[in-house]
Amino acid sequence: TQLLEQSPQFLSIQEGENLTVYCNSSSVFSSLQWYRQEPGEGPVLLVTVVTGGEVKKLKRLTFQFGDARKDSSLHITAAQPGDTGLYLCAGAPRLYGGATNKLIFGTGTLLAVQP
Amino acid sequence: ETGVTQSPTHLIKTRGQQVTLRCSSQSGHNTVSWYQQALGQGPQFIFQYYREEENGRGNFPPRFSGLQFPNYSSELNVNALELDDSALYLCASSPSGRITDTQYFGPGTRLTVL
Repeated sequence: TQLLEQSPQFLSIQEGENLTVYCNSSSVFSSLQWYRQEPGEGPVLLVTVVTGGEVKKLKRLTFQFGDARKDSSLHITAAQPGDTGLYLCAGAPRLYGGATNKLIFGTGTLLAVQP
Repeated sequence: ETGVTQSPTHLIKTRGQQVTLRCSSQSGHNTVSWYQQALGQGPQFIFQYYREEENGRGNFPPRFSGLQFPNYSSELNVNALELDDSALYLCASSPSGRITDTQYFGPGTRLTVL
């Protein structure tokens, strides 16, 4: 069974602080995606990383894919209240019978940024 | 361009009943995936439809079934509802189902089973 474990599960920080969320697995993934989900809405894609060691930046967010394509991290610099939400990593497994882009989601990290 | 829409928004059922949830995919997308998201957890893959055929299934019992129509909209049917079926049900559409395709999620249907 391919699982994605995220840590921490909950994070409450003050505006302006930095934070890192981790997404780990014992399995190799073809790609990893990061989503943010707000209450009452579906997940919204932030980024997709496909190459081992890849680093992508989206304004104050930095995403990294592990060299072995088993883990990923999301770093937020100078967090703002608008960053509040549930952050989910999701992997497209290398081999999965039938589904092509079926996603395995991580356990989620609930971030609250206090003003 | 219209995004992914789902109906109804909220639904309350009792144990043993049956429910049908609906999803309209984004224009031009022929692949729809359904996910179940329990409170405080990440979504879990139920199944995927590609051009009206089931194209992969997660670890869900047969009482979870689906359909995709010629216009690529989709239904999720759940029979013999159980309390643990209470969750947010998400559908996501993508252009072709390729592993590199981005999936666009709808807002979900919140199902409560009493």
